[in-house]
Amino acid sequence: DQQVKQNSPSLSVQEGRISILNCDYTNSMFDYFLWYKKYPAEGPTFLISISSIKDKNEDGRFTVFLNKSAKHLSLHIVPSQPGDSAVYFCAASGNPGAGSYQLTFGKGTKLSVIP
Amino acid sequence: KAGVTQTPRYLIKTRGQQVTLSCSPISGHRSVSWYQQTPGQGLQFLFEYFSETQRNKGNFPGRFSGRQFSNSRSEMNVSTLELGDSALYLCASSLGTEHQPQHFGDGTRLSIL
Repeated sequence: DQQVKQNSPSLSVQEGRISILNCDYTNSMFDYFLWYKKYPAEGPTFLISISSIKDKNEDGRFTVFLNKSAKHLSLHIVPSQPGDSAVYFCAASGNPGAGSYQLTFGKGTKLSVIP
Repeated sequence: KAGVTQTPRYLIKTRGQQVTLSCSPISGHRSVSWYQQTPGQGLQFLFEYFSETQRNKGNFPGRFSGRQFSNSRSEMNVSTLELGDSALYLCASSLGTEHQPQHFGDGTRLSIL
């Protein structure tokens, strides 16, 4: 049973436009969410995170939105650049107070930014 | 600041053998987590160590084990290797406190013949 789902395996966007990557989760105990970017032959690189007490977090060109009632989060990249082409993973973790530090990952979305 | 270092980068083994993978975390990080990445299952959590103690464990058989040393470096061991153990094994480190991101190494690519 996939607790974190990225329903779009791939996404193509024109350079300079907005890229929107989506992620849904089913476990209501998740309270910390992260986005990672992965290039071939490299490990995932941390991009941005958000805790469940917020609904938006921004870092430069990257913004993450969290809709807890819909159990949905999205990553916005504005403007998109060719160097953003990579596989993007959504991840979630539970309440550390309950001892859960493990990350549960989605299957990833491959973003292609076309020059 | 040095990142997470995993050795070796590539490894080829045969069925039935055992293997040990190593991970050096970012300086100051006390938590080390291990993940397995395969094309079919994606990224799956193996276990997490904090201050030399296993704090979390995923749903993997007992053939997969790990340990953490006093300097926070960690090793993962897989015994009696099976063809299905072929995967990219990723290590991630973090401060290990609430809501801190994990930072990944580039992984060890393990191939079983």
